[in-house]
Amino acid sequence: SYELTQSPSVSVSPGQTARITCSGDALPYKYTYWYLQKSGQAPVLVIYEDNKRPSGIPERFSGSTSGTVATLIISGAQVEDEADYYCFSTDSSGNHTRVFGGGTKLTVL
Amino acid sequence: QVQLVESGGGVVQPGRSLRLSCVGSGFTFMDYGMLWVRQAPGKGLEWVSVIWFNGNDKYYADSVKGRFTISRDNSKNTVYLQINGLRAEDTAVYYCAREHSPFCGGDCGPDYWGQGTLVTVSS
Repeated sequence: SYELTQSPSVSVSPGQTARITCSGDALPYKYTYWYLQKSGQAPVLVIYEDNKRPSGIPERFSGSTSGTVATLIISGAQVEDEADYYCFSTDSSGNHTRVFGGGTKLTVL
Repeated sequence: QVQLVESGGGVVQPGRSLRLSCVGSGFTFMDYGMLWVRQAPGKGLEWVSVIWFNGNDKYYADSVKGRFTISRDNSKNTVYLQINGLRAEDTAVYYCAREHSPFCGGDCGPDYWGQGTLVTVSS
């Protein structure tokens, strides 16, 4: 079955740039979505279709995809950005299977 | 504003069945595909199922195929998840979510999410 791979954790100091990666064989062909989830809360969409930002999401959040790796970039990370981050995409085999990455815990301190 | 409200969770014995519901409001429900996503305690997000806007196409994660059934009633702005033969590993918060584009019919991810309903499988 299709899998998306994320590093378990990333740590940065406030004001630094955080990069969270997601790798998957189908990412050159299928869009990547990114979500943040804070403890006890529902996930929130922060990037859709690889690099688009929903209204209300701060400009410091951006996304890019190169080959089989998608990257969420938080430029000038803030303490309030500390959360679990998940990537999401679709299998390219035609079976329309969706999948989440395992999640990355971002620590900002 | 878009709202999704799940219901139907609870404590259920292994082997029993449960039907989860999710009511959408603040958007044209019939135009959007809907997804179910679950999260076991202390674990990551797991995609469970998706139903296209027209209800004609439904897809499932391998882990639930054959036991879970997704359906929708556009006249009630509601999507359902029927869960049969519950197992301990089905214990999770179940979220419903809306595909971010109308008439997507394919690879869209979710944008709006409900607050989830907890299903606990225990004897």
